[in-house]
This record gives sequence, C-alpha cells and structure tokens, in this order.
Amino acid sequence: GAVVSQHPSWVICKSGTSVKIECRSLDFQATTMFWYRQFPKQSLMLMATSNEGSKATYEQGVEKDKFLINHASLTLSTLTVTSAHPEDSSFYICSARHPVAKNIQYFGAGTRLSVL
Amino acid sequence: AQSVTQPDIHITVSEGASLELRCNYSYGATPYLFWYVQSPGQGLQLLLKYFSGDTLVQGIKGFEAEFKRSQSSFNLRKPSVHWSDAAEYFCAVVPDTGRRALTFGSGTRLQVQP
Repeated sequence: GAVVSQHPSWVICKSGTSVKIECRSLDFQATTMFWYRQFPKQSLMLMATSNEGSKATYEQGVEKDKFLINHASLTLSTLTVTSAHPEDSSFYICSARHPVAKNIQYFGAGTRLSVL
Repeated sequence: AQSVTQPDIHITVSEGASLELRCNYSYGATPYLFWYVQSPGQGLQLLLKYFSGDTLVQGIKGFEAEFKRSQSSFNLRKPSVHWSDAAEYFCAVVPDTGRRALTFGSGTRLQVQP
C-alpha cells in the first residue's frame, strides 16, 4: 500500500528555536497533504491543507506565521514550527491524499515535539 | 453543529470476545465514512471505509462496519478480538467532497484482557 514517511519521529528543542518536520509520500505523488495536531488522549485536529505549488490553507485559529508549511514538490511537504514555545509541544501528524482515490488519506507515523 | 461522536472513551474486552465500537455523525448528507486505528509508534492505518452501496463493509484484520442511515451511525465490529487489537480507534468523515479533509471523532481506546 501507499507509504507516507514523516521525519523526525521525536524532537526536543529549546524555547525560541524553530523546528522543521518533513512529510514524504514514498510511492505516489500527492498534490494535497494535510497537517494535523494531536494533544495527549485527544483526537486529531486539522491544522492546514498543503497544496503543491500554492499557499497552504490554514484552519481557523491556526497561526500561519507560526506554523509555516511548504509543499514544494509532489512528494514532500514540510511544517516548520517557528519560535517554538512549550505550548507548541504536541504530536504532529501529516497525511497525503491519494492521487486516484481522492477520498483516501495515508498517514505518517507522527512527530512528537517537546519544547523545553 | 456538524460533528463526529464516539461515545466510548475507553473499552476493555477479553481476548476472544466480540467487539463493537460506536460512531455517530451529524451531517445533513451522508458523508464518506472511515475507521482508522492508531498504535503507538505507528501511523494511522485505514481499517475500512464507506462511500456508497452495500451498507456492511469489510475491512482489514477481520473488522467490519455497518452504515445505518436512520441512526446516522457507522459502528465498527469484530467477532473475536485478539490481544494485538489493543489500540486507539478513530471514526472519521469527509463531510464535504470539495474540501477532502478528514474530521475525526474523539477516539476510543481499546484494551484487551488475556
């Protein structure tokens, strides 16, 4: 089946620094990728929709200047958490929409971000 | 408001027992419906989906789900649970075909007793 790779799986950083998370579709091209955030023992909340070659669409309440999304190729989307603070600590998950079965998404394993 | 509800936060069953996880949605039209499983250290895995047609859908790992329009439900079932089924289960919908993003329920954590 389709594989989505997310890197890193876990990152610890100091407050005020920036962290980049990569999401790659390994065996298919994805014009659309999604970024979700999951708090402990809670569900996944959509942060933004990443479209290859255009600006990301952010959900209400998500700061686009804080969570920078770049989808420069059909197999790679990146999420950069800028000037990270402890409240940004969370589990971030990406998914890629299948190019043919457009209502099916394949998920990365997630990135646990801890901001000290 | 449009939503996806999983009423059971935590369920414990004995290995070999049957399982039913509940999911209800509140959308005007029938959305596309999904069940995902999340295990520690692994990405969400699609168990099954319903778009249209036969209301009883079969998925991977012996799971099935039944869409009931009258009850706005899409409950997940398995006749005999294995210890490896212990995980977090999410019901999800695509409510708007133009948007394509998934809306998730709050999840049900399944614990399996030996």
